[in-house]
Amino acid sequence: NAGVMQNPRHLVRRRGQEARLRCSPMKGHSHVYWYRQLPEEGLKFMVYLQKENIIDESGMPKERFSAEFPKEGPSILRIQQVVRGDSAAYFCASSPSGARGYTFGSGTRLTVV
Amino acid sequence: GQQLNQSPQSMFIQEGEDVSMNCTSSSIFNTWLWYKQDPGEGPVLLIALYKAGELTSNGRLTAQFGITRKDSFLNISASIPSDVGIYFCAGTPYNNNDMRFGAGTRLTVKP
Repeated sequence: NAGVMQNPRHLVRRRGQEARLRCSPMKGHSHVYWYRQLPEEGLKFMVYLQKENIIDESGMPKERFSAEFPKEGPSILRIQQVVRGDSAAYFCASSPSGARGYTFGSGTRLTVV
Repeated sequence: GQQLNQSPQSMFIQEGEDVSMNCTSSSIFNTWLWYKQDPGEGPVLLIALYKAGELTSNGRLTAQFGITRKDSFLNISASIPSDVGIYFCAGTPYNNNDMRFGAGTRLTVKP
């Protein structure tokens, strides 16, 4: 029973490029959450999705950032025209429902050069 | 969104000592969870609490869900070097399923 799978583990992008981060939730989990963690800081909520729906995107910047969780396939966090300030670790978590079984992936470390 | 206040920010302790950290909220939470994060990894769940007043242990770790539903604490007894890491509290507010995190407690254990 694989855990939450995130890829890539490390991603380097030049300023202005696009970054795509993927998250495959655990089997049977239909809720996906994305968080951003800056060095030496805590986890900041970005967006909460259920299959094909965005439930809460209150933590996501209005510009350049978008997220989706299609009926088939992984959840994608997309950052367009990346800037240096986007460099961070991005974590995905999934759950079957709410807080029970809430499990994190190992994260994607984005570096913008 | 609802904020969680976690304290202390960091702790430097001697191996064998007990540790206590806590988390408070200005609003009611349905669930409290405690996670540990090792460098370069995602947070791993230590203890989950689902009822006010609940006291749960996991080995040397003990956590409680406060009666007011606005706080929780985590105790680690007889600390060992591998306890080093960042500990996060998290919870789901009363009116939604979103998980909110505290800023973390960075624990250093000196042998």
